[in-house]
Amino acid sequence: GENVEQHPSTLSVQEGDSAVIKCTYSDSASNYFPWYKQELGKRPQLIIDIRSNVGEKKDQRIAVTLNKTAKHFSLHITETQPEDSAVYFCAAGGRYSTLTFGKGTMLLVSP
Amino acid sequence: NAGVMQNPRHLVRRRGQEARLRCSPMKGHSHVYWYRQLPEEGLKFMVYLQKENIIDESGMPKERFSAEFPKEGPSILRIQQVVRGDSAAYFCASSPLGTEAYEQYFGPGTRLTVT
Repeated sequence: GENVEQHPSTLSVQEGDSAVIKCTYSDSASNYFPWYKQELGKRPQLIIDIRSNVGEKKDQRIAVTLNKTAKHFSLHITETQPEDSAVYFCAAGGRYSTLTFGKGTMLLVSP
Repeated sequence: NAGVMQNPRHLVRRRGQEARLRCSPMKGHSHVYWYRQLPEEGLKFMVYLQKENIIDESGMPKERFSAEFPKEGPSILRIQQVVRGDSAAYFCASSPLGTEAYEQYFGPGTRLTVT
């Protein structure tokens, strides 16, 4: 089955810096790659996603890049703010729309 | 425009009891997924259902766990004879039909504690 690795497990940045989180996946049949943000005790919220026919997608301060050949994708957050502090999960989807999640990255943005 | 609903939000059961978790998908969504999240871990896929059909249950433990999504009413995840290791947050997600089928929206979760 699919296996998703996510790095780093924790990331501390200063407010205004950029943050990058990287994921790799194993199943070349995966074709959908969402990112979720989860605040403590809350539900995971979809923040951006990318499909395999696209290399990059941006939404304001958030961008995701996908390299299908290397089987990796990354989340980029620019101009980080304290409210960006949360756990971020990447996932890979394919067969039957089921998602395989990475173990998460705890992002801490210090003012 | 209600989102995905789950109840109860918190559930405490003693070892050996049964736990029933309910999930109502977003309006217009007919695909439901259940995930389990252990403390400080990611989400693990359990089961994928459409109305009256289990599509993929490859993530479900073989014993004590079952799921259904009846023609009427919410989807239910049932855990029989709970053990301490079942303590976790259980999230359901729903997605719409068609080309957007992959976008999954999560409910607030049910936090199960087994004492």
